[in-house]
This record gives sequence, structure tokens and C-alpha cells, in this order.
Amino acid sequence: QVQLVESGGGLVKPGGSLRLSCAASGFTFSDYYMSWIRQAPGKGLEWVSYISSSGSTIYYADSVKGRFTISRDNAKNSLYLQMNSLRAEDTAVYYCARDSSGWYWDYWGQGTLVTVSS
Amino acid sequence: QSALTQPASVSGSPGQSITISCTGTSSDVGGYNYVSWYQQHPGKAPKLMIYEVSNRPSGVSNRFSGSKSGNTASLTISGLQAEDEADYYCSSYTSSSTFYVFGTGTKVTVL
Repeated sequence: QVQLVESGGGLVKPGGSLRLSCAASGFTFSDYYMSWIRQAPGKGLEWVSYISSSGSTIYYADSVKGRFTISRDNAKNSLYLQMNSLRAEDTAVYYCARDSSGWYWDYWGQGTLVTVSS
Repeated sequence: QSALTQPASVSGSPGQSITISCTGTSSDVGGYNYVSWYQQHPGKAPKLMIYEVSNRPSGVSNRFSGSKSGNTASLTISGLQAEDEADYYCSSYTSSSTFYVFGTGTKVTVL
């Protein structure tokens, strides 16, 4: 069965960096686009970034452009999100999600909490 | 790009039908058939309920249905059950630079 398991979250000071990982299993990872989506505590969902199956096409939300970098390693069935210059408003649960290529996400991980606070 | 507009809350009694609206613009909901709906129980990850306006993934109850008219998409839950109590989010492709936009979210309460 499809599984997505995020890791790497934690407490970081403003201006700091963190790298999230998402381990995928149960499907051919290299065939699928992937996304990171976040949810601030008590708030709604916000799409963060997208990467194509080969990694050649990448998109970012305006709120993270220039600070976050999405990448993937198809040999390791893994998705990553490098987050730099973190701000308090980046505090959220970060989900990795499989993009169906139909502009929707059919599987989601359980999420990893990132807290940016001094 | 502003979030799609959803009612903050909708409630109904067991067995009733409820409808959640999701209003956007011609740049997102109205312009493309790429509206999807997600159910989220407290502390859990979102779950896909409807994709491409009205398609149900395998395993999702046929009590859930989707539709669209103009710039507004709708999710209808018929035969409301206690387990349907959750937050629901719509999402759409958008021609703006953000590519994806979510709705503001709706809390469904089963009375």
C-alpha cells in the first residue's frame, strides 16, 4: 500500500534552517509528481511546493520562494524540503503528498511539525 | 492569490444531506475542471474525497458527490453519519503563479 512518511521536523530559531524528508513506498516513486503542503496550527491548508517526476520542473508558493528548495532522489524513493531563513509564520505541520498529475493529491503522509520560535 | 471561499461551518442531523460551497473566480474554479475536496479529522492527514469536480476515488463512499456551476463548486454529503464530522477543504488549479489554491475550510458538525 502507498505510504509516505515525513521526518525532520522540530524546533528551530528564526533565521535558522531545517531539512524535511519524505520516504515513499508502495508505488513507483519516479513515476509521480510530489508536493509539500503545510498547515499552521488551527489554520487551513497551504500548498508550498511541487516537483515533477524527474525533478526538472519545480514550483513554489510566493510565501516561500527564495527560501525553500524542493528536491527528490528517485533512487532512494525520497522527497526533500530544504527550508532556510525560517520565520515564525513558517510554523506548521508539513505534509508530503503524491500529486496525481491531475492537480490533486491522492495520498498524504502523516505530517511533521516545524516550530519556528526563539 | 486569495483562498477559495467556503462557509466556516455547516451542520446537519444524521441521515440528512448537506452541501458545502467553494467559491473562486474564472482563474481557478470557474476556468478549469480541477476542483478537489479533502476530508480532515482532528490530528489526521487530509484524505481525498472528490477529484476533477465530481470523481470519487476508489473506497470513498458514494454518499459524497461533487459538482460545479460557474465559479462555485459544491460538495454534497447525503445520509449524514457521525463519522462525517470533520473539516473539509476544496482545492483548485489556478492560472496564477501559485498553481494551487485551497479553500478556507468548512467544519461539518453532525448534530
